[in-house]
Amino acid sequence: GAVVSQHPSRVICKSGTSVKIECRSLDFQATTMFWYRQFPKQSLMLMATSNEGSKATYEQGVEKDKFLINHASLTLSTLTVTSAHPEDSSFYICSARDREGINEQFFGPGTRLTVL
Amino acid sequence: SQKIEQNSEALNIQEGKTATLTCNYTNYSPAYLQWYRQDPGRGPVFLLLIRENEKEKRKERLKVTFDTTLKQSLFHITASQPADSATYLCALSSGGYQKVTFGTGTKLQVIP
Repeated sequence: GAVVSQHPSRVICKSGTSVKIECRSLDFQATTMFWYRQFPKQSLMLMATSNEGSKATYEQGVEKDKFLINHASLTLSTLTVTSAHPEDSSFYICSARDREGINEQFFGPGTRLTVL
Repeated sequence: SQKIEQNSEALNIQEGKTATLTCNYTNYSPAYLQWYRQDPGRGPVFLLLIRENEKEKRKERLKVTFDTTLKQSLFHITASQPADSATYLCALSSGGYQKVTFGTGTKLQVIP
């Protein structure tokens, strides 16, 4: 099956710093990638949808200036948490879709962000 | 507003029995419904997709039903094994380019 990787798997940073998370589709071209956030014992909450070569579409309530998304190629999307604060601590998961109209999503293993 | 409900309480069953998980939704007309498995600290893994015009779908020990009248999907794991212990998420989409919305998941514990 299709494989999606994320890096890093775990990051601890100080408040005020920026953190970049990479999401890669390893064996397919991802026309669309999604970024989710998941708090303990809660569901995955979609943050934004990114299509290769265009600006990301953010969900209501998600600050686009704080969560910068770049989908520079068909295999790579990055999420940058700018000026991170403790409340940004969460589990961030990306997923990718390999063909338009085919809605099975392949998820990355997730990145645990802890902001001190 | 759209709502997806899964039993938030953990489901404990004996090894070898059939586990049945429920997903109910309101204010939604999904084109398809998916089930995912999520292990602690890991991303979800896709299991099955069922479309609105399908009543049932099977894959090995897994079976999913989809009743658009009741607005409900049932997810069955037959001959359950301790390795099946995980959280199971249902997810709905209106299809096409519409986003996928996830339920909160049900934690399944299979007891040896």
